[in-house]
Amino acid sequence: LAKTTQPISMDSYEGQEVNITCSHNNIATNDYITWYQQFPSQGPRFIIQGYKTKVTNEVASLFIPADRKSSTLSLPRVSLSDTAVYYCLVGVANTGKLIFGQGTTLQVKP
Amino acid sequence: DAGVIQSPRHEVTEMGQEVTLRCKPISGHNSLFWYRQTMMRGLELLIYFNNNVPIDDSGMPEDRFSAKMPNASFSTLKIQPSEPRDSAVYFCASPLRGDTGELFFGEGSRLTVL
Repeated sequence: LAKTTQPISMDSYEGQEVNITCSHNNIATNDYITWYQQFPSQGPRFIIQGYKTKVTNEVASLFIPADRKSSTLSLPRVSLSDTAVYYCLVGVANTGKLIFGQGTTLQVKP
Repeated sequence: DAGVIQSPRHEVTEMGQEVTLRCKPISGHNSLFWYRQTMMRGLELLIYFNNNVPIDDSGMPEDRFSAKMPNASFSTLKIQPSEPRDSAVYFCASPLRGDTGELFFGEGSRLTVL
């Protein structure tokens, strides 16, 4: 199983770019890297997913180096509403082994 | 599509009682994950169904826990008898594709066992 390691917490200010890095040294060839956001009293919500290189959507970018042993979630110009827990997940659904790590609690301050 | 629907949203019960949590996955999806979340242990994977069959239940904590997925429209997680340490938020999630890691979660069922 590809274990993930992320910082436990991060602080930022409104309008800043936030980068959260996740380490996954033993990622498997078929594994995808998926990031989720979770607000209190809600289920985790998909943000972005990638296999290699860079992926960008309307809310975030995901940077994956060539060796795929880490990934960085980039949130541009965060707002107070981006305060949440962010999880990095490595794997694919049909293995049944989508294991969440501890996540990173992001606190955005005014 | 209404997404993943879980019920009840909240349940308070007494130790020893049977608890049944329900999940309606995304329409037409016959794969499903059940997770449990607590402050102490985070998000724990309990069981994974594919084609309505339990593929991996290694995360189910003990025999008091059982899960079924009789068809692609319905799954249950049952705890009998319940204990205070079972208090948690229980989530089910539908994989949007089997070959990626994208899951669509329900809003969860918050269980309190007194």
